[in-house]
Amino acid sequence: GAGVSQSPSNKVTEKGKDVELRCDPISGHTALYWYRQRLGQGLEFLIYFQGNSAPDKSGLPSDRFSAERTGESVSTLTIQRTQQEDSAVYLCASSSNLEGRNGYTFGSGTRLTVV
Amino acid sequence: AQTVTQSQPEMSVQEAETVTLSCTYDTSESDYYLFWYKQPPSRQMILVIRQEAYKQQNATENRFSVNFQKAAKSFSLKISDSQLGDAAMYFCAYRTGNTPLVFGKGTRLSVIA
Repeated sequence: GAGVSQSPSNKVTEKGKDVELRCDPISGHTALYWYRQRLGQGLEFLIYFQGNSAPDKSGLPSDRFSAERTGESVSTLTIQRTQQEDSAVYLCASSSNLEGRNGYTFGSGTRLTVV
Repeated sequence: AQTVTQSQPEMSVQEAETVTLSCTYDTSESDYYLFWYKQPPSRQMILVIRQEAYKQQNATENRFSVNFQKAAKSFSLKISDSQLGDAAMYFCAYRTGNTPLVFGKGTRLSVIA
């Protein structure tokens, strides 16, 4: 597609429920990143994927968080047994390669509210 | 670990005036890239400007320019002729090699008509 697409745009869930957030990167972008942005804060790195290589999961805050990506296509971020502190905007970004010079193209994010 | 610090949580500027947003970073690398992103209320992160550390010349993009001081590890953003549409959160970010972008906490810029 023309840009990075994320769905849903907004999600309200009850504490303890599981949620899935979807990211559709720009076609041909081999690298995909997930970030979390709490209210009024900067972006915290969660995980990134590069092609078929093993993902870098070093930013995931707990084992309740996981993500998958098939090849160079759609990625899903799953949060199990959601807690109120999981409330945040989850941003996805893609990049044409891993080299440092490229910035990322971001989606508009999913605002997750856990009640 | 690399860190990025934005010491100004909020800034304001009169329309048509110039404002400078500060950013410092900590790294032991010699080759890296620096970025400024703008985040309007729509939440979409928009790349404003990019600087390669090996380049001495400061990057410019229309009304946006940077003051890159490698020795001081400083990377400030100057916005000239500020417009109402410039009001947003601005994030400074750092990247080296294949590591993910590291962001500062952001500066909220208000533009006063």
